Amino acid sequence: EAEVAQSPRYKITEKSQAVAFWCDPISGHATLYWYRQILGQGPELLVQFQDESVVDDSQLPKDRFSAERLKGVDSTLKIQPAELGDSAMYLCASSRGQGANTGELFFGEGSRLTVL
Amino acid sequence: KQEVTQIPAALSVPEGENLVLNCSFTDSAIYNLQWFRQDPGKGLTSLLLIQSSQREQTSGRLNASLDKSSGRSTLYIAASQPGDSATYLCAADSGNTGKLIFGQGTTLQVKP
Repeated sequence: EAEVAQSPRYKITEKSQAVAFWCDPISGHATLYWYRQILGQGPELLVQFQDESVVDDSQLPKDRFSAERLKGVDSTLKIQPAELGDSAMYLCASSRGQGANTGELFFGEGSRLTVL
Repeated sequence: KQEVTQIPAALSVPEGENLVLNCSFTDSAIYNLQWFRQDPGKGLTSLLLIQSSQREQTSGRLNASLDKSSGRSTLYIAASQPGDSATYLCAADSGNTGKLIFGQGTTLQVKP
């Protein structure tokens, strides 16, 4: 069964350092999402791609976060510099659909970030 | 703006009991509502997707219903088992990009 792949599963870093997360969506899925989930809360969207284009990054802290999906396949989310408040689970998801009806979302196992 | 609320935040039941988890959303102009399961420290597993034209979906012991007019969805779990212990999240899509807005989740504990 196809899965969304994410790495690393766990990352511990000191504040002010740079971190990067990688995601490989299910093959053929046009839409890719990065969500952030703080412990005890529901996930919140950081950025959404349709193919290689950003369709929503309204909640992405652009002074320190960046995301790219250069060839419309895999994606990287970067944080520089990391702050204590960035400690969270970073979840990648993909879906086959596009536009307003993206269909079923499938999530990866997530990347747990701890900033010391 | 879509907002999703789940009540209760936590629920503890004895094994074998049937139970209902509730989800409400503010914007009824949705294409899809999706229920997920999340085990501690793990990603989200899709349980059921209900399209706006559907009233319910079933998978095994799970049944999810959707009432767009009242902005509500329920997840019914029959004959609960300790392995059902997890956090259950519902999410409704929003706007013209289809992004999912999540509730806070209901953490379920099924006691043997």
